[in-house]
Amino acid sequence: DAGITQSPRHKVTETGTPVTLRCHQTENHRYMYWYRQDPGHGLRLIHYSYGVKDTDKGEVSDGYSVSRSKTEDFLLTLESATSSQTSVYFCAISESGQGNTGELFFGEGSRLTVL
Amino acid sequence: DAKTTQPPSMDCAEGRAANLPCNHSTISGNEYVYWYRQIHSQGPQYIIHGLKNNETNEMASLIITEDRKSSTLILPHATLRDTAVYYCIVDSWGKLQFGAGTQVVVTP
Repeated sequence: DAGITQSPRHKVTETGTPVTLRCHQTENHRYMYWYRQDPGHGLRLIHYSYGVKDTDKGEVSDGYSVSRSKTEDFLLTLESATSSQTSVYFCAISESGQGNTGELFFGEGSRLTVL
Repeated sequence: DAKTTQPPSMDCAEGRAANLPCNHSTISGNEYVYWYRQIHSQGPQYIIHGLKNNETNEMASLIITEDRKSSTLILPHATLRDTAVYYCIVDSWGKLQFGAGTQVVVTP
């Protein structure tokens, strides 16, 4: 299994509080991604990174920010959590293939509940 | 970005081949087709991908039509452990977008 660790795995917080989720990899892969998964929506891309300090938005980036100061860590921050951000968050990593994204390896997920 | 269309669900008998269809009629010439699956609440697992040619690995086979507007994932001998949601995705270079997928239930 790819070395991907998400923390925390479970978190309950209140509306308006800041929350940071961490994704740590030991594979030295260039690309890292944050997805959220909600019932009926599959996985939706929030943000991704294509290198240290290089990030870009996905399809549902509003209300989220990310940072990548080291190859191995990709942080997802909710500056002021809302109930609509209650979800399961998955981190993924990849090393690009030839002209395509390459195989994504996913973490085990972080379940966030915003009350 | 190219989108995909998959049936919401399908059943398969254990030991039989499972053929999962996917339509991607707006795919561009340099976009790959990827298949992933998600078992229960685990993170998705990569299965296979391809561009134009058919592909096979230890898990499955991928058949892509000549016009590339559709593809089929084949699980040659389905087992109960293959029960999962299967996602067909067109790779828009760095932005794999997962749809709702196909819920496959393998029955004894």
